[in-house]
Amino acid sequence: GENVEQHPSTLSVQEGDSAVIKCTYSDSASNYFPWYKQELGKRPQLIIDIRSNVGEKKDQRIAVTLNKTAKHFSLHITETQPEDSAVYFCAASNFIGDDKIIFGKGTRLHILP
Amino acid sequence: DTGVSQDPRHKITKRGQNVTFRCDPISEHNRLYWYRQTLGQGPEFLTYFQNEAQLEKSRLLSDRFSAERPKGSFSTLEIQRTEQGDSAMYLCASEGTSGLGELFFGEGSRLTVL
Repeated sequence: GENVEQHPSTLSVQEGDSAVIKCTYSDSASNYFPWYKQELGKRPQLIIDIRSNVGEKKDQRIAVTLNKTAKHFSLHITETQPEDSAVYFCAASNFIGDDKIIFGKGTRLHILP
Repeated sequence: DTGVSQDPRHKITKRGQNVTFRCDPISEHNRLYWYRQTLGQGPEFLTYFQNEAQLEKSRLLSDRFSAERPKGSFSTLEIQRTEQGDSAMYLCASEGTSGLGELFFGEGSRLTVL
């Protein structure tokens, strides 16, 4: 089955700097890669996703890149702000195959003033 | 509120007791997931349903765990003979029919086993 590894587990960046979180997956059939943000005491919420037919996707300060050959994908947050402080989870699934969505262990992002 | 709702939000029980959690997904969402989350970890897949059919149950899940979605609407997750290691947040999520893949999570049911 699919296995998703996420690094780092904790990341601290100065406000205004960029943050990068990386994930690898094991199942080459996976074709859907969402990212979820979970603020303290709240439910996870989707912030961006990418499908295997594209290599990069951007939404304002957030971007995700995908390297299918290497089986890794990354979340990039630019111009970080205090409200970006949260836990971020990557995930993977074989969407065409209706497979389940498997999550990484998460990265706790701290934005330092 | 038309989001995913879970009940109860908190459950404290003694070891060996049975507990049941309920999840009401967003109306007409045909896929429903159960995940378990412990402190500092990501959501761990437990099981999921397509309408009333249970598609898969995690191999990590013991026989003490069972889930149902009898009419393809709400779902229940039962844990029999609870153990202290079962203490966690149990998250339910539903996925719509649009094919976009986004999961909508409930607030979760926090279980504490004493």
